Formats: sequence, structure tokens, C-alpha cells
Amino acid sequence: QVQLVESGGTVVQPGGSLKLSCEASGFTFTTYDIHWVRQAPGKGLEWVAFIRYDGNYKFFADSVKGRFTISRDNSKNTVSLQMNSLRSDDTAVYYCAKGGGWPHLTFDHWGQGTVVTISS
Amino acid sequence: DIQLTQSPSSLSASVGDTVTITCRASQGVMNFLAWFQQKPGKAPKSLIFGASTLQSGVPSRFSGSGSGTDFTLTITNLQPEDFATYYCQQYNNYPWTFGQGTKVEIE
Repeated sequence: QVQLVESGGTVVQPGGSLKLSCEASGFTFTTYDIHWVRQAPGKGLEWVAFIRYDGNYKFFADSVKGRFTISRDNSKNTVSLQMNSLRSDDTAVYYCAKGGGWPHLTFDHWGQGTVVTISS
Repeated sequence: DIQLTQSPSSLSASVGDTVTITCRASQGVMNFLAWFQQKPGKAPKSLIFGASTLQSGVPSRFSGSGSGTDFTLTITNLQPEDFATYYCQQYNNYPWTFGQGTKVEIE
């Protein structure tokens, strides 16, 4: 069965950096896009970043553009989200999600989430 | 960016009721509209994609309809496990966006 397991969440000071990882299993990783979605405490869902199945296309929300980068290692079935210049409003649960099949590329499976807290 | 507005923001219902949640997009998204269910402290669960296609394993009491800018999620014969927050999401254009959520509570 499809599994996505996030890791790396912790408490970081404002201005700091953090790298989240998403390890995938149960599907042909090289065939599917992966996304990061976050949810601030008590708030709704916010799409953050996307990386295409081959790693050749990446998109970011305006709120993180220039601060976050995304990469994937198809030999290890992992996607990483490098977060720099962190701010208090980056505090959230970060989920990785698997994209669906063409043309309905939206999320079909989600990880359990990892908590990122930006605080001094 | 495409804005999605859900209504109502919350509703109270009883087991066995039928509930309908609407999602309106600020511009047309064809049928690239999905619905998700989220329970407190848990990850979202994918319910519907393509406006009306159920994800594998989702009970048939869930249904979706609409195209363009107006969409609905209907839950018939509401069950105790259906009390949760529901989100619509468009994937026609980046940035992908979500509605603000609709909380379905026990009456």
C-alpha cells in the first residue's frame, strides 16, 4: 500500500533553516509527482511546493518562493524540502502528498505530517 | 490566484441526514476540483477528484458534482465517522488552492 513518511520537523529559531524529508513506498515513485502542503495551527490547508516525477519541474507558493527549495532522489524514493530564512508564519504541520494519475494530478495519498515550529 | 469559497463554514447535522457543501471558484477550473476530509489531529484524506470521481475505498454515500465555477459535495445518510472538516481544492492552475474548509458537527 502507498505510504508517505515525513521527518525532520522540529523547533527552529526565526531566520534559521530546516530540511524536511518524505520517504515513499508502495508505488512506482519515478512515475508520480510529489507535493508539500502545510497547515498552520487552527488554520486551513495551504499548498507549498511541487516537484514533477522526473525532478525537472518545480513550483512554489509565493509565500515560500526564494526561501524554500525542493528536490527528489528517485534512487532512494525520497523528496526533500529545504526551508531557509524561516519565519514565524512558517509554523505548521507539513504534509507530503502524492499526485494522482494524468490528467487528475491532485493529491491521492498523504503522509502523517511533521511539525515545524519557528520560535525564539 | 484562484480563490475557492466554501459555504457554509460550519454546519450541524444528525446521523442519517443529508448534507451539502458548496465550493465556488473565482474563475473556471473545468472539472479539476477535489474534495478532502480531515479529522482533528489527522492528515487529510482524499475523497473525490475530477469533481465527481470517488477515490478508491470512499463510501458511495459521498458524491460530488459541478463544473466550471460551482461545485457541491453531498453526503447522504451521514455516519458518525463523517463528522469532520471538508476542503475543496482546485488543481487547474498553479498555485493550487484550497477552500477555507467546512466543519460538519454533530447536532
